[in-house]
Amino acid sequence: GESVGLHLPTLSVQEGDNSIINCAYSNSASDYFIWYKQESGKGPQFIIDIRSNMDKRQGQRVTVLLNKTVKHLSLQIAATQPGDSAVYFCAETPNTNAGKSTFGDGTTLTVKP
Amino acid sequence: NAGVTQTPKFRILKIGQSMTLQCTQDMNHNYMYWYRQDPGMGLKLIYYSVGAGITDKGEVPNGYNVSRSTTEDFPLRLELAAPSQTSVYFCASSPGQQETQYFGPGTRLLVL
Repeated sequence: GESVGLHLPTLSVQEGDNSIINCAYSNSASDYFIWYKQESGKGPQFIIDIRSNMDKRQGQRVTVLLNKTVKHLSLQIAATQPGDSAVYFCAETPNTNAGKSTFGDGTTLTVKP
Repeated sequence: NAGVTQTPKFRILKIGQSMTLQCTQDMNHNYMYWYRQDPGMGLKLIYYSVGAGITDKGEVPNGYNVSRSTTEDFPLRLELAAPSQTSVYFCASSPGQQETQYFGPGTRLLVL
């Protein structure tokens, strides 16, 4: 069946280090992926997205990498800051089933000062 | 723009009671969604709508109903509340398919 999962449920890093959060997906029809950040008590917030015609996309301090061969997605955060502490979700949307995104269970990122 | 707003923020229901969770967006988005998030888990899609008058089931629709009479509003109805419906409910909207979803602040529901 379809699944979007994360390799590690928690990640702890030192302030200033780089963080890498991983995501695996199994639906070959998925061609649009989004990373969301969810702070405690709030709704998810868009970070960065990537479409399947790209391997890499960069934003401000964040980079998303897509490996379609092994169905793997990663989020890299450069110079991690305390404000980056949150739960990070990947979401996939296939080119069928209009609007029906599938979310992973999330990775909790903790940044130690 | 206020974005996506949800009311109430928190509610306690007794088993068997009914209630409507309100969701409104002012971005003129065609697509709207309802998700539930259980503790430590990801988001599960309950219902979604691709435009006024059109709704469809998501992954976990049982026990819920929706309507979409206007572009702005997408209320979620619980008819007979059960403890299994204790969760945080998020409403979201997007301009179209395969586009960023904008989330509301959530409604925390406790069914006792």
